[in-house]
Amino acid sequence: DTGVSQDPRHKITKRGQNVTFRCDPISEHNRLYWYRQTLGQGPEFLTYFQNEAQLEKSRLLSDRFSAERPKGSFSTLEIQRTEQGDSAMYLCASSLLLAGGVFYNEQFFGPGTRLTVL
Amino acid sequence: AQTVTQSQPEMSVQEAETVTLSCTYDTSENNYYLFWYKQPPSRQMILVIRQEAYKQQNATENRFSVNFQKAAKSFSLKISDSQLGDTAMYFCAFLRDDKIIFGKGTRLHILP
Repeated sequence: DTGVSQDPRHKITKRGQNVTFRCDPISEHNRLYWYRQTLGQGPEFLTYFQNEAQLEKSRLLSDRFSAERPKGSFSTLEIQRTEQGDSAMYLCASSLLLAGGVFYNEQFFGPGTRLTVL
Repeated sequence: AQTVTQSQPEMSVQEAETVTLSCTYDTSENNYYLFWYKQPPSRQMILVIRQEAYKQQNATENRFSVNFQKAAKSFSLKISDSQLGDTAMYFCAFLRDDKIIFGKGTRLHILP
């Protein structure tokens, strides 16, 4: 039984470069979430998908950020023209939303990708 | 406005002692979920315990229990017989519109 995996675990880049992170959710989980966690803070919601549809984006997600989940399985988060303020841990989570309007579906988190922008 | 407030940035207790982490939240909803998450130094977020607002009984998971005061919007976590492996960041969190809203966390150190 594999959990949520993220790749890479660490990324160091220079300001202005583009970076892409990947998240593989738990198999058959139809929902996938991205959060950002800066040092000393709790994670903040960025965006989430149900299958391949992106349902919501936070105002924290500037135009330089784009997320995709093309086949409803893995997801990528791309940051273009990185800035030093983008340095953070990017967390991915997945959950299984069952049909029938179940109110709560537990989110399982991955280990995160730590981004450092120099 | 901050929805989840954790007023204790850092705490230290001796192994085997009991420790209580505080959390208050703000919502106008009547039915919701509250959580405590643990994030060890390895950084993987783990769900410790959850509480459904419509249930009056406080949730318990082994050594972990909560004191849920709905009227006061308070949701504290009690860890009994603390162990070295409990050393971690603990986040109080609230589920709103399918998104988890986290507090800033409490760094807990269990001392040998």
